[in-house]
Amino acid sequence: EAQVTQNPRYLITVTGKKLTVTCSQNMNHEYMSWYRQDPGLGLRQIYYSMNVEVTDKGDVPEGYKVSRKEKRNFPLILESPSPNQTSLYFCASKTSGTYGYTFGSGTRLTVV
Amino acid sequence: QKEVEQDPGPLSVPEGAIVSLNCTYSNSAFQYFMWYRQYSRKGPELLMYTYSSGNKEDGRFTAQVDKSSKYISLFIRDSQPSDSATYLCAMTRNSNYQLIWGAGTKLIIKP
Repeated sequence: EAQVTQNPRYLITVTGKKLTVTCSQNMNHEYMSWYRQDPGLGLRQIYYSMNVEVTDKGDVPEGYKVSRKEKRNFPLILESPSPNQTSLYFCASKTSGTYGYTFGSGTRLTVV
Repeated sequence: QKEVEQDPGPLSVPEGAIVSLNCTYSNSAFQYFMWYRQYSRKGPELLMYTYSSGNKEDGRFTAQVDKSSKYISLFIRDSQPSDSATYLCAMTRNSNYQLIWGAGTKLIIKP
């Protein structure tokens, strides 16, 4: 089944404790992206990658890192999480030149 | 002011009603318009995609774009309880630009 897989689905952590949210897609998509979704603010792009070893900042990159060493994987790293990073996170992918994203099921992160 | 405005709702209608969901935008460069549906505890999924002005129909769903008014709509005919979800509009200039998203409208179809 064509899909984007995120892990974990739910995560509660403490301020300052480094964490990684994994994202993997099996559709051979070039383009991958991370979003956060907050009530009233909609989806905001954190980082995106147009292909392997090519990443760029979205609208809200502060406090996040990403890497794209393989085409299928695009992990999101929070080096020192803070409570304002409590949010619902989505990984998405698509074929370059198209408009329809495939989204993962989301990771609900709580930072206390 | 946000580039894309969307009423968050909730919009509650009885089963079988025609539903109208709308977004307004400010950037006249937008050419590609999308509607995504998001069920609770799921990621958004692409529902409809339209280029420039005009209508596009897919089963019970019709997407409409009025570029002169900077206004897009999604109509759902014969609405079903399974249509209950949050509907997000998204738009962009072309595939080289990121999508700009509305905040989403929560739709509730009452049996």
